[in-house]
Amino acid sequence: AQKVTQAQTEISVVEKEDVTLDCVYETRDTTYYLFWYKQPPSGELVFLIRRNSFDEQNEISGRYSWNFQKSTSSFNFTITASQVVDSAVYFCALKTGTALIFGKGTTLSVSS
Amino acid sequence: DTGVSQDPRHKITKRGQNVTFRCDPISEHNRLYWYRQTLGQGPEFLTYFQNEAQLEKSRLLSDRFSAERPKGSFSTLEIQRTEQGDSAMYLCASSLTAESTDTQYFGPGTRLTVL
Repeated sequence: AQKVTQAQTEISVVEKEDVTLDCVYETRDTTYYLFWYKQPPSGELVFLIRRNSFDEQNEISGRYSWNFQKSTSSFNFTITASQVVDSAVYFCALKTGTALIFGKGTTLSVSS
Repeated sequence: DTGVSQDPRHKITKRGQNVTFRCDPISEHNRLYWYRQTLGQGPEFLTYFQNEAQLEKSRLLSDRFSAERPKGSFSTLEIQRTEQGDSAMYLCASSLTAESTDTQYFGPGTRLTVL
């Protein structure tokens, strides 16, 4: 069975703190893709990053970085020096076929 | 480049009424998807089209739900005889299969409230 677990329901930080959002996935497929999406209060899901199962290189994009570890089936997302605009719900998703399988999301609140 | 658009953004209806939502994908995207998201949950897949063909349906898509994508452009999702349990955000996404990873880009959603 395919499954994505985001164990952290809510995280609250103060601006400029670093924060890591955890994502653990389950699949028996050897080829799969992992995604992170951001959902601000407006409701639209915004694509952040995509990783395929053969590429374990970590990635950094500005204040965002992602750590993919197949050995632990994890794809964690770190925001460095968080800002108020980072407040949103963040979803991790797994794709083995056509559909995306989402976790329940982590609500991040960044206060000034 | 215009993103995915959905109409209406909000819909309030009474139980038993029929509702129809529209999705316009990113131009030239050949795949279109519908998802449903309830409060506190991640989106759940309902169905998808490649061009005008509906190729996959989730077991969540009861017989009261029907989706179409005439001419492979915009899509409509109709819910007949709405129930309170249908209250949710309905999200549309599109992708281009020419992209090796087929990333799905989402619209702003239609929030349905069934009274």
